[in-house]
Amino acid sequence: DTGVSQNPRHKITKRGQNVTFRCDPISEHNRLYWYRQTLGQGPEFLTYFQNEAQLEKSRLLSDRFSAERPKGSFSTLEIQRTEQGDSAMYLCASSRTGVRGESPLHFGNGTRLTVT
Amino acid sequence: GESVGLHLPTLSVQEGDNSIINCAYSNSASDYFIWYKQESGKGPQFIIDIRSNMDKRQGQRVTVLLNKTVKHLSLQIAATQPGDSAVYFCAENWVSGGSYIPTFGRGTSLIVHP
Repeated sequence: DTGVSQNPRHKITKRGQNVTFRCDPISEHNRLYWYRQTLGQGPEFLTYFQNEAQLEKSRLLSDRFSAERPKGSFSTLEIQRTEQGDSAMYLCASSRTGVRGESPLHFGNGTRLTVT
Repeated sequence: GESVGLHLPTLSVQEGDNSIINCAYSNSASDYFIWYKQESGKGPQFIIDIRSNMDKRQGQRVTVLLNKTVKHLSLQIAATQPGDSAVYFCAENWVSGGSYIPTFGRGTSLIVHP
């Protein structure tokens, strides 16, 4: 178990630029989640994949955000035309469908985005 | 010490004391609950989980209690250590459109004084 890996760890960008983050989940996990976390708050759901299919997307998610998981393994989250309000920690998590139902999420250490 | 969840987000205890962190969840259809610990600069780390067909589950130094009647969850940490200092989140899970989407509370900051 090598854990969930996220890259880059930090990203500083200017307003209006596009950014892309990568997540490599635990290899046998079929589910992958993206969350956003701001200071003093809990993680806020963005989107969710089961294998390569994007099954859920938060209604709060702007059209500027897009996520992919092309082969059911790694995932990318792209933010277009970044705004200062996009500054946050972006967390990726993975889990597997258990025999008894749900299993806990395993989180990466996140990508901290700062939009100047 | 005891936290009342969102209204008291910081809990300070002395090393060796027992800690109780509370969480009020929102959805009566939630059937799976998880506690996470988050240290500064890191992602949340799984501590313990409980399903709705149980009201208590014990791990190493931690116990989770579930009261479905009042939609309340608690995490008890025995003999709290400085390394337990972190923010603790509860997450509830329910099926929405065929998917489980874990939903997190705001969290409680635990500070352990040596």
